[in-house]
Formats: sequence, structure tokens, C-alpha cells
Amino acid sequence: QVQLVQSGAEVKKPGSSVKVSCKASGGTFTSYAVSWVRQAPGQGLEWMGGIIPLFGAANYAQKFQGTVTIIADESTSTVYMELSGLRSEDTAVYYCARRSGTYGDSFYYGLDVWGQGTTVTVSS
Amino acid sequence: QSALTQPPSASGSPGQSVTISCTGTSSDVGAYNYVSWYQQHPGKAPKLMIYEVSKWPSGVPDRFSGSKSGNTASLTVSGLQTEDEADYYCSSYAGSNTVVFGGGTKLTVL
Repeated sequence: QVQLVQSGAEVKKPGSSVKVSCKASGGTFTSYAVSWVRQAPGQGLEWMGGIIPLFGAANYAQKFQGTVTIIADESTSTVYMELSGLRSEDTAVYYCARRSGTYGDSFYYGLDVWGQGTTVTVSS
Repeated sequence: QSALTQPPSASGSPGQSVTISCTGTSSDVGAYNYVSWYQQHPGKAPKLMIYEVSKWPSGVPDRFSGSKSGNTASLTVSGLQTEDEADYYCSSYAGSNTVVFGGGTKLTVL
């Protein structure tokens, strides 16, 4: 079964950057669309962006254009999300997620495989 | 790309039905039949409950059903059970390989 394993919790200073990894195991990697979703404490889900490793280029929500970079390393089946210019409002749990099976090659069909989440705390 | 609009809360008694709405625009919900719904219990990752407006992933009970009319999608939970108490989020494909989520609805089973 496909699993997504994320890197551990981070504590960052305002203005710095954070890079979170998401390693896929148990299935093919390059043709699956991977999304990054964050959830601030007590708040809702927010789609940040996603990538299909086979195609290389990432797509971002308008809000995160210019501050988020998503890349894929096919050699290690890992997707990375880097968020720059951190502010206290970026304190959140960051999830990577994808769709399993034949629905997994696009962003159309929802997300049914989720990483365990990575808590990023931004504090001076 | 604004968040989809959901009511902040909904409630019902065990055995009853409750419907949660999700309103978007002609650029997301209205443009595509790619609406999904998620259930999230406290401290847990979201769980996919509905995709493509009204389809069930494997293992999701058919007490959960989805529909769409124009720019508004809906999730109906029939035969409410105590374990259905959770936060529910809708999402929609929004074109150009992007997705937008709703603000979430807290469902209380009275």
C-alpha cells in the first residue's frame, strides 16, 4: 500500500524558510499528483500547491505564488515543499497527500493517502 | 481563488439526516464535476468521503451522499451516528491543476 512519510517538526524564526519532505513508498511515484495542504491551529484546510513528478512543473494556489516552492526528486521518491518568508501565521500542520490507484494521476479525484503531518512553528 | 463557502456548523440527532452545503463559483464548483468531501476528527488527518460529486471511495458507508446544483455542492449524512461528529470539508478542482477547499463545517450529533 502507498504510504507518505513526512519529515519531523520544525521551529523557525520569522523571516526564515522551512523545507518539508514527503517520501512515498509502496507504489509508483512519477505519475502521481502530490498535493500540499496546511491547517493552522483551529482553522480549516488550505491547498497550497501540487506537483506531478512526471511533468516536473508545480502548480500553486494564488495565495502562495512566490512564497512556496514544490519540487520532486524521482531518485528518492520524495517531494519537497519549501515555504519562505515565514510569519507567525504560517504556524500550522503541513500535510502532503495524494490519490491512490488509477485516479492518482490528476488533481481531480480528491486525496485519500495522507502523510502524518509536519508541525511547523514560527516564533521569535 | 477564494475558499469555498460552507456553514460553520450543522447538527442533528442520531438517526436523523443533515445536509452541509458548499458554495463556489462558475470557475470551480460550477465548472467541474470534481467536488470532494472530507471528514476530519480532532488530531487526525482528513479522510476522503466523496469524490466526483457523488462517488464513494472504498469503505465509506452509503449513509454519506453527495450532489451538486450549479455552483453549490452538498453532502448529506443520513442515519446520523455519534461517530459522524467531526469537521467536514469540501474541495473542488479549480482548473490549471489547482484545488480549493471550503472553510469547513463542524457537525455535532446531539
